[in-house]
Amino acid sequence: AQSVTQPDIHITVSEGASLELRCNYSYGATPYLFWYVQSPGQGLQLLLKYFSGDTLVQGIKGFEAEFKRSQSSFNLRKPSVHWSDAAEYFCAVGESNAGNMLTFGGGTRLMVKP
Amino acid sequence: EPEVTQTPSHQVTQMGQEVILRCVPISNHLYFYWYRQILGQKVEFLVSFYNNEISEKSEIFDDQFSVERPDGSNFTLKIRSTKLEDSAMYFCASRTQGPSPEAFFGQGTRLTVV
Repeated sequence: AQSVTQPDIHITVSEGASLELRCNYSYGATPYLFWYVQSPGQGLQLLLKYFSGDTLVQGIKGFEAEFKRSQSSFNLRKPSVHWSDAAEYFCAVGESNAGNMLTFGGGTRLMVKP
Repeated sequence: EPEVTQTPSHQVTQMGQEVILRCVPISNHLYFYWYRQILGQKVEFLVSFYNNEISEKSEIFDDQFSVERPDGSNFTLKIRSTKLEDSAMYFCASRTQGPSPEAFFGQGTRLTVV
């Protein structure tokens, strides 16, 4: 069974600073990988996804993530954080089968200092 | 832009009561899902539904839970006799046919069992 680990429960960065949120996965085949963002009281918004091809993927709101097979990682990055980026971020892995359920990591709560 | 809609946004119910959470998936989507997120915890898969039947379900999805697609647009989750531990945010998601598991999530229904 697949699993997703987000080692950092909370991260605080200053506005304008760079950001990297870590995600490690365990999955037997080539995974489908996702990052979702959840603002307080809101639903899950897809930031970006990796299915195949270029291992550096671009998403919305200036986010990017890099798939590193050798490290089983899919870390999320942003060069300059805005106060509005404060939210909870979830990494997820999808199965390549008929059900295609997603397995989520525990989430990283990002706080942005002015 | 098409979106998954869920109603109600918040429901309070007494322990032992039945609740039905409603979802309208994106119209051309064929796979439907329910996930839940207990406050402060990770998002967990409950059930997937395709071609009018359950394709996968998790250990959480016991006999107290059922899903139904009563017409061409709605997708419902029923909890027969709610328990305090059913209090959570419930997310509906849907996706198109095809191998990629990219799912679009609704805004969620917050269920509070008292």
